[in-house]
Amino acid sequence: GAGVSQSPSNKVTEKGKDVELRCDPISGHTALYWYRQSLGQGLEFLIYFQGNSAPDKSGLPSDRFSAERTGGSVSTLTIQRTQQEDSAVYLCASSHQGGPAVEQFFGPGTRLTVL
Amino acid sequence: DQQVKQNSPSLSVQEGRISILNCDYTNSMFDYFLWYKKYPAEGPTFLISISSIKDKNEDGRFTVFLNKSAKHLSLHIVPSQPGDSAVYFCAASYNFNKFYFGSGTKLNVKP
Repeated sequence: GAGVSQSPSNKVTEKGKDVELRCDPISGHTALYWYRQSLGQGLEFLIYFQGNSAPDKSGLPSDRFSAERTGGSVSTLTIQRTQQEDSAVYLCASSHQGGPAVEQFFGPGTRLTVL
Repeated sequence: DQQVKQNSPSLSVQEGRISILNCDYTNSMFDYFLWYKKYPAEGPTFLISISSIKDKNEDGRFTVFLNKSAKHLSLHIVPSQPGDSAVYFCAASYNFNKFYFGSGTKLNVKP
């Protein structure tokens, strides 16, 4: 299908290791969002891209978190020196802004477990 | 500081009856509100939205009501069906940039 895809679907890592999470948005969608959902919590905004630029990085929890987007398409979220509290489902969404209804299309998420 | 709150973590409703899911927000700058539905192991899917210039939007069995003076949003599902059982998130934004989500309400529709 032509939906938002994320990889990997599951990632188990050891504390202190770096991880990279990938998001492929819907083709043509200019806006891309990263969220995190910890166990029993709602969606926590992390970062938003418009094209390749990130006008709002305010949700990134610490400087261990970074994200980039290239070619206005694929985005990667990198977590350095992972900690156990980073364990969560990381969700990516994309949208085509400018329409009458700004609907975000979500990917299935990457479940990150830090041991 | 949570700007969008869903104070009921769960709701149980009989099939055929009305489900009412509530959401409160604190930021008067929000100008767009959305409801998402999430099944286990899937990403949220868009359900219905409303602009701050309206107080009601209806789509089939789903109606969203907005009370700006109370900073309150609700989703009505009539009639409720077992397939509606899911977690429902409300979200709000201003200028279509950052979106703030509530913590979700798990709806269980009993046959």
